[in-house]
Amino acid sequence: EAGVTQSPTHLIKTRGQQATLRCSPISGHTSVYWYQQALGLGLQFLLWYDEGEERNRGNFPPRFSGRQFPNYSSELNVNALELEDSALYLCASSLVEGVGTNEKLFFGSGTQLSVL
Amino acid sequence: KQEVTQIPAALSVPEGENLVLNCSFTDSAIYNLQWFRQDPGKGLTSLLLIQSSQREQTSGRLNASLDKSSGRSTLYIAASQPGDSATYLCAVKFQGAQKLVFGQGTRLTINP
Repeated sequence: EAGVTQSPTHLIKTRGQQATLRCSPISGHTSVYWYQQALGLGLQFLLWYDEGEERNRGNFPPRFSGRQFPNYSSELNVNALELEDSALYLCASSLVEGVGTNEKLFFGSGTQLSVL
Repeated sequence: KQEVTQIPAALSVPEGENLVLNCSFTDSAIYNLQWFRQDPGKGLTSLLLIQSSQREQTSGRLNASLDKSSGRSTLYIAASQPGDSATYLCAVKFQGAQKLVFGQGTRLTINP
């Protein structure tokens, strides 16, 4: 069974450009989470999608946005890129069986975004 | 504020030693706690998940314990090997928060 897949592996952009990152969850998983891991800052929660809807959002500006498609894959879009957006962006998927469940998160290998 | 702290930030031990990594969290109202491993520049691999009703979980040489009342968890690694070298992350799902909150991680180095 395939795990969580992310593309591209690496992405190089310049300030002001837009970046699109993609994530395919494990088959059967309906929930997708996005996290940012900047150097020295740890993993910061970005967005959570479930059943095509945005369910929760972290403390990030509106230029970070995304969506979830009917097949549960997801895109993360970052507009007007800034140097500090350089980070490893990790996607995780899970099967949500109800509020407050003990679902396990499975992570992809990430997209390393470099903003020059 | 719901926070997760891991101490130490880095740990270096000789091969074969047993070791303990620590994780503390600020709110005892949790759904679960999960330990992950991350190799440099890579994604996260889930090691163990402890539900709020459980005290510990074991997988091979790994044992994770949970003490909600004191807001602590430990990851015990027995008979450490160089291949165990990685960053270990603790993450907590707090009640009322539909996301995992991560600690900063402990960077573990096992010396041959």
